[in-house]
Amino acid sequence: SAVISQKPSRDICQRGTSLTIQCQVDSQVTMMFWYRQQPGQSLTLIATANQGSEATYESGFVIDKFPISRPNLTFSTLTVSNMSPEDSSIYLCSVEGIGQGSFDGYTFGSGTRLTVV
Amino acid sequence: GEDVEQSLFLSVREGDSSVINCTYTDSSSTYLYWYKQEPGAGLQLLTYIFSNMDMKQDQRLTVLLNKKDKHLSLRIADTQTGDSAIYFCAESNTDKLIFGTGTRLQVFP
Repeated sequence: SAVISQKPSRDICQRGTSLTIQCQVDSQVTMMFWYRQQPGQSLTLIATANQGSEATYESGFVIDKFPISRPNLTFSTLTVSNMSPEDSSIYLCSVEGIGQGSFDGYTFGSGTRLTVV
Repeated sequence: GEDVEQSLFLSVREGDSSVINCTYTDSSSTYLYWYKQEPGAGLQLLTYIFSNMDMKQDQRLTVLLNKKDKHLSLRIADTQTGDSAIYFCAESNTDKLIFGTGTRLQVFP
């Protein structure tokens, strides 16, 4: 399965600022996914990022708040803009795993634990 | 919309078997997954099952799927203290994963 490097692993940020999270994959992937896990909650998909096109956002998430870049097939960034304490969450990127040429589940990065003060 | 439900907590003695249950509503689910999340860590894919299967075994893990009742379970044999974590089930029929609420498994000596 793909190996995902995500950074930063954690950060404490002032409200009103922005943080960009990076996700690097060790193989080329068509789609990359960004999830949010609010404290004590499950995971919710923010958006799907395809290389060469705009990201597709899920209901409740907008590009102005969570701009995403996907410059190539191994890298993506998620920016959390104009942060407020409600944005304190773990943010995770994910890719489709390919094993021996066939589907092999979805792999997740280790996550970015964001605290907004 | 799609919904995935799990019980919140499970406590087992070391060496016993653990069974974590999950129900889902989407009858068109293609794959169902089990993920493990340890404190401060990301998600580790434990196993997944295609919707036309009813059982999958992988070492200490056994997944049972009852598609008629939309019920998925994960059995961990010979549970160890290192198995203490939150376990999430998830389903998909597209590339979007719908996660359950997570079950916190506590293993005591």
